[in-house]
Amino acid sequence: KNEVEQSPQNLTAQEGEFITINCSYSVGISALHWLQQHPGGGIVSLFMLSSGKKKHGRLIATINIQEKHSSLHITASHPRDSAVYICAVRIGNYGGSQGNLIFGKGTKLSVKP
Amino acid sequence: NAGVTQTPKFQVLKTGQSMTLQCAQDMNHNSMYWYRQDPGMGLRLIYYSASEGTTDKGEVPNGYNVSRLNKREFSLRLESAAPSQTSVYFCASSLTGVQPQHFGDGTRLSIL
Repeated sequence: KNEVEQSPQNLTAQEGEFITINCSYSVGISALHWLQQHPGGGIVSLFMLSSGKKKHGRLIATINIQEKHSSLHITASHPRDSAVYICAVRIGNYGGSQGNLIFGKGTKLSVKP
Repeated sequence: NAGVTQTPKFQVLKTGQSMTLQCAQDMNHNSMYWYRQDPGMGLRLIYYSASEGTTDKGEVPNGYNVSRLNKREFSLRLESAAPSQTSVYFCASSLTGVQPQHFGDGTRLSIL
């Protein structure tokens, strides 16, 4: 069973388009992370949020705890945004296996010039 | 500031061989993690270390051992490699268990 589901799996966009990637989860969580995996393989953390909305540059992450859903938005997309975007959830506080992250399979984004 | 450094970046092994993947962080983080990433699957936790001197199993620990050598270093050992362990391995660290994790560049491991 997949506790973290992302959609779409693949997304192709034209430069300048507004992009939305969705993440749904089936368990109670203490935090949700969005990460970016570059084509070369490196992974960087974009956001950690437990409520509301966060913004960094052209990236916006929102979470609705009641609906168990989060979205990652990219405004004015650019080819350099091409990457795999990964959603991960933390169940409970840190301690034993309960505090670790459960990862989605990722959404592969390709932005064409 | 190097962040999280993993060595080697690539490795090919034969079934039954052993090897150790090295990971070091220079951010004074307390928590460190080893993940594997397989095609079509999300990252899966192999082992983690909440603090120096402690290690715990994650989701897929079978066939692996770890050592938290000191606060900086966390190694992953395959005692008798199997083809099912062909994967990309990532080491990560975080200041505490609830802070964002910083990842190394990964080790691509193939077992023939």
